[in-house]
Amino acid sequence: AQSVSQHNHHVILSEAASLELGCNYSYGGTVNLFWYVQYPGQHLQLLLKYFSGDPLVKGIKGFEAEFIKSKFSFNLRKPSVQWSDTAEYFCAGGVGGDTGRRALTFGSGTRLQVQP
Amino acid sequence: DGGITQSPKYLFRKEGQNVTLSCEQNLNHDAMYWYRQDPGQGLRLIYYSQIVNDFQKGDIAEGYSVSREKKESFPLTVTSAQKNPTAFYLCASSNLADFQETQYFGPGTRLLVL
Repeated sequence: AQSVSQHNHHVILSEAASLELGCNYSYGGTVNLFWYVQYPGQHLQLLLKYFSGDPLVKGIKGFEAEFIKSKFSFNLRKPSVQWSDTAEYFCAGGVGGDTGRRALTFGSGTRLQVQP
Repeated sequence: DGGITQSPKYLFRKEGQNVTLSCEQNLNHDAMYWYRQDPGQGLRLIYYSQIVNDFQKGDIAEGYSVSREKKESFPLTVTSAQKNPTAFYLCASSNLADFQETQYFGPGTRLLVL
């Protein structure tokens, strides 16, 4: 079965610290991977996505993620966090191509708290 | 201004009552989805629809029903059979021609039981 795991449930960092949030997936075949962010009181919005090609993908607001197929991982990184990055972050995966279920499977989320 | 709208923002349900959550999109997307968000559990798929008049159960469909009579609308009914309905409900849509599967989300409806 398809699954996405996020092992960091709650992360607290000081401003300017570096961030890495873990995400592991279990899929057979082609996979599309996403990171979404939910700022307090706002819509869930897309940070970045991996479809194919360069395994290092860059997203909005200075975030990036690296797809490592051998480790089934898609970790989210940011070199220096800001207070405004306080939010909940969700990793998600979907089956690539034109087969089967097209909905996403989400991880349980990581709540990031950045202290000024 | 394109996007997904959900209403109401808050909804209160009494015991034994069915309630319907609205989701409308003007993005001309083929597919629409309903997720339930609970603290510490992420988003779980309730139902999804890839075409008008067709829909499939997700991982937690019991106690819920949907319809897809129009491309832009995908209402979710929480029936009395759903014993633990208190949650945040998110609607999403995507363009099936986009193999990158990007889903766009609405602002959500918070359902509370009286």
